[in-house]
Amino acid sequence: KQEVTQIPAALSVPEGENLVLNCSFTDSAIYNLQWFRQDPGKGLTSLLLIQSSQREQTSGRLNASLDKSSGRSTLYIAASQPGDSATYLCAVRRSGANSKLTFGKGITLSVRP
Amino acid sequence: DTGVSQDPRHKITKRGQNVTFRCDPISEHNRLYWYRQTLGQGPEFLTYFQNEAQLEKSRLLSDRFSAERPKGSFSTLEIQRTEQGDSAMYLCASSLIEKDEKTQYFGPGTRLLVL
Repeated sequence: KQEVTQIPAALSVPEGENLVLNCSFTDSAIYNLQWFRQDPGKGLTSLLLIQSSQREQTSGRLNASLDKSSGRSTLYIAASQPGDSATYLCAVRRSGANSKLTFGKGITLSVRP
Repeated sequence: DTGVSQDPRHKITKRGQNVTFRCDPISEHNRLYWYRQTLGQGPEFLTYFQNEAQLEKSRLLSDRFSAERPKGSFSTLEIQRTEQGDSAMYLCASSLIEKDEKTQYFGPGTRLLVL
């Protein structure tokens, strides 16, 4: 059974800091990995998707990396801003026909002005 | 493309009542998913459809839960005889299967509170 872990559960940083959010998964037979952002009481917004054959994806100040063999992914946020405050969720889709996502519990980020 | 929409956004009900939620996926998306998210947890998969066919149901989906997608467009999720443990955010997502499925797009969710 795939398990996705995100540690720590919460993180508080001052504005302008570069930061790394970690995600680990137990089964390396994945099809892709996605990072999502969730604001309080809201749905999920997809940030980056990395296919299993890729090593990283970039979008603006965000960079996500994937090391499938070690079961790890990181989300790098450059020059953090208070508007980045949210919960960041990592989700993996396993290989095969079933395309359900298995999520971690998320990391709640607070960026202090 | 107006995104995935869900209705209602909030629902308060008494234990034992039935509730029904609706999800309208992005038009032309042929896959539709339901997830449930409780406080402090990540979303958990409930079920998914490809067109009108329900292809998988999680063990979380007890016999009090039923989902339909009768015409391969919108979907409904019904919970019968609600229990306090059903209180959660119910999220719907959709995606397009061509030769290669990519991102699942999520709706804003329906927050259910069972008193």
